[in-house]
Amino acid sequence: DQQVKQNSPSLSVQEGRISILNCDYTNSMFDYFLWYKKYPAEGPTFLISISSIKDKNEDGRFTVFLNKSAKHLSLHIVPSQPGDSAVYFCAAKGQGGSEKLVFGKGTKLTVNP
Amino acid sequence: GAVVSQHPSWVICKSGTSVKIECRSLDFQATTMFWYRQFPKQSLMLMATSNEGSKATYEQGVEKDKFLINHASLTLSTLTVTSAHPEDSSFYICSAKQANTEAFFGQGTRLTVV
Repeated sequence: DQQVKQNSPSLSVQEGRISILNCDYTNSMFDYFLWYKKYPAEGPTFLISISSIKDKNEDGRFTVFLNKSAKHLSLHIVPSQPGDSAVYFCAAKGQGGSEKLVFGKGTKLTVNP
Repeated sequence: GAVVSQHPSWVICKSGTSVKIECRSLDFQATTMFWYRQFPKQSLMLMATSNEGSKATYEQGVEKDKFLINHASLTLSTLTVTSAHPEDSSFYICSAKQANTEAFFGQGTRLTVV
């Protein structure tokens, strides 16, 4: 049972445009969400996170939006750059101090020059 | 960000042998370390959580006698795949964290069992 879903395996955008990566979750006990970026043969790198008490968190070109009622979050990258090309993983963490991260399958983003 | 080093980056071993993978936090003391496994085009699946000086907590379906985890110090955790078989071939990734910080990941180890 996939508790964190990234339904788009891939996304291609033009340099300078906005990239929007989506993530849905089913477990209402999740209260903290993270986005990781991963290059081939490397471990994931933390990008940005959001707590369930917020609906938006922004860090430079990266913004994460959370819609709790829809159990949906999205990562916006603007403007997109070729160096952003990577696989992006959405992850969620539960309540009660649990440190366990549940990951989606990832979305491969390609930013074309 | 903090640095987590995983070694080796890739390893090929014969079926039936054991392989040890090391995970080190280089510039911080990790209270908790995690081991993940990733199959091609799949998500990272948590295998176990380990705290320094205590036994690892394994996820459901992960054989603790096959995947031995030792968290000997605040900067080192090891994963030993015992009696490896071809189906154990995968990408293994560790992460480490301090209290109240995000987890930082190692670069991963590609294990191929032949």
